[in-house]
Amino acid sequence: GQSLEQPSEVTAVEGAIVQINCTYQTSGFYGLSWYQQHDGGAPTFLSYNALDGLEETGRFSSFLSRSDSYGYLLLQELQMKDSASYFCAVINTDKLIFGTGTRLQVFP
Amino acid sequence: EPEVTQTPSHQVTQMGQEVILRCVPISNHLYFYWYRQILGQKVEFLVSFYNNEISEKSEIFDDQFSVERPDGSNFTLKIRSTKLEDSAMYFCASEDGGGSNQPQHFGDGTRLSIL
Repeated sequence: GQSLEQPSEVTAVEGAIVQINCTYQTSGFYGLSWYQQHDGGAPTFLSYNALDGLEETGRFSSFLSRSDSYGYLLLQELQMKDSASYFCAVINTDKLIFGTGTRLQVFP
Repeated sequence: EPEVTQTPSHQVTQMGQEVILRCVPISNHLYFYWYRQILGQKVEFLVSFYNNEISEKSEIFDDQFSVERPDGSNFTLKIRSTKLEDSAMYFCASEDGGGSNQPQHFGDGTRLSIL
C-alpha cells in the first residue's frame, strides 16, 4: 500500500518555529511536495524536494531524506495567517499522493 | 497570476442523478487532474489527463466517472449516477508539464452535496 503519515495537529505561538514531519511509504517516488490549505480553500503549493537536503523559500523550508523516507516542513516566524492544514504529497508518476494532513493552529 | 477556475462552487444533486463539474485550467498547461476531498480527510487523486486521454486513474475513478476536454479550454468531470458517498469537495488541478518539480495549481473546488 501507499501511505504518508503526519501528525494530526500542531499548535504554536506567533513568532515561534514549528516543524511538521512526514514519513512515507509509496511504490514510486519522484519527489516530495508540501501544500497549504486554509479551511474551505484550495491546496496551495509551498515547496518541492527531489533530492536529499534542505530547500528554503522565505519563512518556509523543506527537508528530504530519501534513505529514511522522511521529510519535514519548517515554518519560521509564525504568523496568525499560517493557521491552516499542511499536507505533504509524494509525486508518483504524474500524480500527487497526499498525506493525512497536519492542522496548525497559531496563537497570539 | 493565471489561475484554475471551477464552476459551480457548490452543487446539490439528488442521489442517482448525473452531475458535471467544470474546470478551466491555466491556458498553457498540458496536464490536468481531478482530486477529491471528503470533509475532514486528505486529498485523494482521481484521474490525470494528458494529450486528450486519461494517463492514470485511481480505484475511486470507476465506471461512473468520466472526464472530457470538449474544447481547448474546459476540462470536465462527469459522475453518471451519483451516490451519497460521492459527497465531497472536488478539485481540478493543472500543471505545465515542465518536469516533476513543477507544481500542480489547484482550483478553489466544487463542493458536491448528494441528497
